[in-house]
Amino acid sequence: GQQVMQIPQYQHVQEGEDFTTYCNSSTTLSNIQWYKQRPGGHPVFLIQLVKSGEVKKQKRLTFQFGEAKKNSSLHITATQTTDVGTYFCAGPRGGKLIFGQGTELSVKP
Amino acid sequence: NAGVTQTPKFQVLKTGQSMTLQCAQDMNHEYMSWYRQDPGMGLRLIHYSVGAGITDQGEVPNGYNVSRSTTEDFPLRLLSAAPSQTSVYFCASRLAEISYNEQFFGPGTRLTVL
Repeated sequence: GQQVMQIPQYQHVQEGEDFTTYCNSSTTLSNIQWYKQRPGGHPVFLIQLVKSGEVKKQKRLTFQFGEAKKNSSLHITATQTTDVGTYFCAGPRGGKLIFGQGTELSVKP
Repeated sequence: NAGVTQTPKFQVLKTGQSMTLQCAQDMNHEYMSWYRQDPGMGLRLIHYSVGAGITDQGEVPNGYNVSRSTTEDFPLRLLSAAPSQTSVYFCASRLAEISYNEQFFGPGTRLTVL
């Protein structure tokens, strides 16, 4: 079945450094969603990408959807301690939303 | 709106015990689902429901039952708890089955099975 793979599993950065997480699907996706989970919290929706090659920005966060709609990335510029958490991508399979394994970001002040 | 609520927040069970994790939403969402989260495994779908009276299996359904008698409630039943079911359980809802909808998560239930 469709799998959504996410790398890296962990990323430790110094505050001010950039961070990128990558999401790859074995099949073409109609859309992809990104969620953030703070330590001890629950996943919270960040954004959805629908179009091939789409790029969306939210302040220091840049989201991209690949031309083939099989991969996506989240890039954070100049990380801050408030960016700490786990970032998940999720893609639809039928009516289900399948999540990647997540990338846990830690930021050292 | 309270959004998605879950009870209890924490639970400790002994092997073989049964229990029900409660989930409710007040957003009139048709679609509800249960995930479990384990370290390094991400969020794995247990069961889901596209509307009252309709449920289906997700990726890891064994050992769990669900029912959906109302739009608001979607309880998850552990029939005979096993240590492998130690996990954090999240209930989620979205407006409809169509995938182009933001999914809202509850605060989670942290379950330990001894």
